[in-house]
Amino acid sequence: EDQVTQSPEALRLQEGESSSLNCSYTVSGLRGLFWYRQDPGKGPEFLFTLYSAGEEKEKERLKATLTKKESFLHITAPKPEDSATYLCALSYSGNTPLVFGKGTRLSVIA
Amino acid sequence: DGGITQSPKYLFRKEGQNVTLSCEQNLNHDAMYWYRQDPGQGLRLIYYSQIVNDFQKGDIAEGYSVSREKKESFPLTVTSAQKNPTAFYLCASSPKSGRALETQYFGPGTRLLVL
Repeated sequence: EDQVTQSPEALRLQEGESSSLNCSYTVSGLRGLFWYRQDPGKGPEFLFTLYSAGEEKEKERLKATLTKKESFLHITAPKPEDSATYLCALSYSGNTPLVFGKGTRLSVIA
Repeated sequence: DGGITQSPKYLFRKEGQNVTLSCEQNLNHDAMYWYRQDPGQGLRLIYYSQIVNDFQKGDIAEGYSVSREKKESFPLTVTSAQKNPTAFYLCASSPKSGRALETQYFGPGTRLLVL
C-alpha cells in the first residue's frame, strides 16, 4: 500500500477555473508535509511545508491546507503558467527521508 | 548564487559502461540525496547521506554507488549492473539538523540515456 497518494493523476482546467489537488497519507506520526512544483525536464521547486493539522499557507494563487489524513493544494483562478506537475512529500516518525507521491499533472488552458 | 548544480544535463551510456553523475551544492547543507524519476513513478530514493563519509541505501540502490568525501559533493555512479538506467536523475540537499523535517532543495537533474 502506498504511503502517499495524490489525486487526480491529471487535471485539466480552463483559465480562471479554481480547483484543488489532494494528497492523502496513511502513515502515523506525521512530522511535516511538503508541496513541490515540477516543470517538464526540471527539478522540483519547493512551495510549502505544513507541520500540523489546521495549518494553512499561501503563495500567490496557491493555498495549501493540512488535516490529519490529507492535504489540499487549492488553486484559485489559475493561469496557463500554473501548468506543471505538483508533488507532495511527507516526513514521519524516525529519521527517515521524505516519501514522495506520484504527483498531479495540471494543465491550465487559456 | 547559492544552489545545487548537476552535470551533465544529458548523459549517454553504452552497454557495460559505468557512468558518474555529478552533484555539487554550495548551500552548506548537511544532507544530500539521489532520486530516480521515471514517467508515472514519482521520485524513488537511491542513496542518501547525512554527513560526510557516511551514506545509506534508499529503496532502489541496486546497480548504483555513491561517495561523500566532501560536504559539497555527492557523486552517483550508475554501474553496468543497473540493467535499466534510462531515467531522469535528481540530486537534492537539506540543512539537516537531526530532525527529518528539513526541506529538500533540488538540482536541475541529469537525463541518462542508453545507447
